Amino acid sequence: EPEVTQTPSHQVTQMGQEVILRCVPISNHLYFYWYRQILGQKVEFLVSFYNNEISEKSEIFDDQFSVERPDGSNFTLKIRSTKLEDSAMYFCASRTAHSGNTIYFGEGSWLTVV
Amino acid sequence: GQQLNQSPQSMFIQEGEDVSMNCTSSSIFNTWLWYKQDPGEGPVLLIALYKAGELTSNGRLTAQFGITRKDSFLNISASIPSDVGIYFCAGLYGGATNKLIFGTGTLLAVQP
Repeated sequence: EPEVTQTPSHQVTQMGQEVILRCVPISNHLYFYWYRQILGQKVEFLVSFYNNEISEKSEIFDDQFSVERPDGSNFTLKIRSTKLEDSAMYFCASRTAHSGNTIYFGEGSWLTVV
Repeated sequence: GQQLNQSPQSMFIQEGEDVSMNCTSSSIFNTWLWYKQDPGEGPVLLIALYKAGELTSNGRLTAQFGITRKDSFLNISASIPSDVGIYFCAGLYGGATNKLIFGTGTLLAVQP
């Protein structure tokens, strides 16, 4: 069964460093998402991406964050100048273009900022 | 913003017992989804509900989309140890992006 894959599974970085989290969405999907889950809390929407541009972003997704689809398969989340509070599990997700279709999640990238 | 309140927050039950958890919202959603999350992993879709009043089963799981489109419940029958995990409801908020709004989660522990 096709799945969303994410790398790295775990990254430890020093405060102030830049981090890039990578995702390969399911191949025929057109909508892409990043979500975040701080340890012990619920999953929170960060950003959605369609047709090579951001379609919606949450208040969490400030200027520190950016997304990119550099080629036909990858979808990346960049966090500039990481802060301690950026430590969380980051989930990539994707779905097809049909309204109401379900969203499939990757296994997550666990980011620890020290 | 939209919020989904999930209850109970946690449940500790014996193997074989039935479980019920629910989710309520002040907003109307077009689709309700139930996910299970194991530690250190991503949410895995269990059941999707597309119509108000819809009752759907997936093995030992049964979920219903409330008539008002503001609530949903998930039942697990005859629980087994591998049912342990965190269960999240999620409302699919329509519009251009179809983003998911997640509930606060229900932690389920099953005693063998």
